[in-house]
Amino acid sequence: GEDVEQSLFLSVREGDSSVINCTYTDSSSTYLYWYKQEPGAGLQLLTYIFSNMDMKQDQRLTVLLNKKDKHLSLRIADTQTGDSAIYFCAESIAGTGKLIFGQGTTLQVKP
Amino acid sequence: GAVVSQHPSRVICKSGTSVKIECRSLDFQATTMFWYRQFPKQSLMLMATSNEGSKATYEQGVEKDKFLINHASLTLSTLTVTSAHPEDSSFYICSAGGRGGTDTQYFGPGTRLTVL
Repeated sequence: GEDVEQSLFLSVREGDSSVINCTYTDSSSTYLYWYKQEPGAGLQLLTYIFSNMDMKQDQRLTVLLNKKDKHLSLRIADTQTGDSAIYFCAESIAGTGKLIFGQGTTLQVKP
Repeated sequence: GAVVSQHPSRVICKSGTSVKIECRSLDFQATTMFWYRQFPKQSLMLMATSNEGSKATYEQGVEKDKFLINHASLTLSTLTVTSAHPEDSSFYICSAGGRGGTDTQYFGPGTRLTVL
């Protein structure tokens, strides 16, 4: 079945770049997403990429997609303490509208 | 991004009572709404998919008689936890989808349910 894998924890210093990685299994996914969750809150859509794109940049966020390896990454430039949160990667299951989520990566930003 | 609200944000109830959680899509008509459950430090578990005007589709292992879902309009879906027990205590999150014909889901802020 479909599966999405992420590393569980990443620690960086303020001002550095953060790279969060994700692998997925469903090659028919149309869209791939990155969501951010702060403690006690819902999920905030950060960005998404269409499956026929290789890269998408939006201000400090850069998404890279390697469809051959089914690998997705999120790069946060100039990471700030306010970026500390859990980041979820998700793939859409074609034809269902459903999303499959990874386990979430906890990003810790040290001052 | 789109705005989805949930109400209440937090609820504490006694064992055996029923609790209703509302999910509203405030700025677009959501053809599909989803209900998730999240345990501490874990990912989201999809409970059911709700389409306006039709019965919800439940994921395997989710009791449809325990978790009643109603999607009466394109902007409102409700989840009722019936005869709640302490093991139903969790963070429940809804999402709304179908905007612009994409699979993108917009999430509500979540509801923390504690059953005593």
